[in-house]
Amino acid sequence: GENVEQHPSTLSVQEGDSAVIKCTYSDSASNYFPWYKQELGKGPQLIIDIRSNVGEKKDQRIAVTLNKTAKHFSLHITETQPEDSAVYFCAAAYTSGTYKYIFGTGTRLKVLA
Amino acid sequence: NAGVTQTPKFQVLKTGQSMTLQCAQDMNHNSMYWYRQDPGMGLRLIYYSASEGTTDKGEVPNGYNVSRLNKREFSLRLESAAPSQTSVYFCARYRAAYEQYFGPGTRLTVT
Repeated sequence: GENVEQHPSTLSVQEGDSAVIKCTYSDSASNYFPWYKQELGKGPQLIIDIRSNVGEKKDQRIAVTLNKTAKHFSLHITETQPEDSAVYFCAAAYTSGTYKYIFGTGTRLKVLA
Repeated sequence: NAGVTQTPKFQVLKTGQSMTLQCAQDMNHNSMYWYRQDPGMGLRLIYYSASEGTTDKGEVPNGYNVSRLNKREFSLRLESAAPSQTSVYFCARYRAAYEQYFGPGTRLTVT
C-alpha cells in the first residue's frame, strides 16, 4: 500500500543552525506534499506545502524541496530558534474520490539554546 | 484551531463503554476526516466524509462508526471501547487545493 517514510525520528540542533527532515513516498500518484508542525498538546498545523509541478518553495526561514523522480521531499529550516522545537510531520496526498493523505511517522526537533 | 472544534478534550472510558467524539467546522467545506495518532505511528485515517450524508472507510476503521448529518458536524462513535483504542483523535477539514486543517484533538484513554 501507500507509504511515507520520514527521517530522522529525532533531531537536535544548536540555535541558529539549520535542520533538514527528509521523506520518501511510494505512490507515484501523489501530487501534493504538506508539512505540519505539532506542538505539545495541540493539533498539527500546516506550515508549508508543495505541489508536484514545483521543485522548491520558500517561506521565510522554511523551505521545501521535491524530487518527483526519486520520490523524495525535504523540509529545511534555517536559523533555527527555540520556538521551532516541535514534532514535524510530512504527508503525501493524492486524489481518489476525495483527497487522501498518507502521513510520515514524525520528527521530534529540539533546538538547543 | 483552524476553524475546527472537538469535544471532549479528554476522556477516560472503561473497556466496553461507548462514547461519541464530536467535531464541528465553522466553514462550509465538504470534506472532513477523522484520524488517530499513536506514538511512533503518525496519523492514520479512520474515516472520512467527502460530503454531507456520505462516509467512507480509511486505513483503520474497525471498531468505529461515523455520522455526517450536516455539513458542519462529523462525529466518531466507539460502540464498545477497547484498550487498543487509547489514542489521540483528530478531526480535520479540507479547505481547498488539498489544504487540510486539524482540530485540537481528543485524548482518549480506555482502561
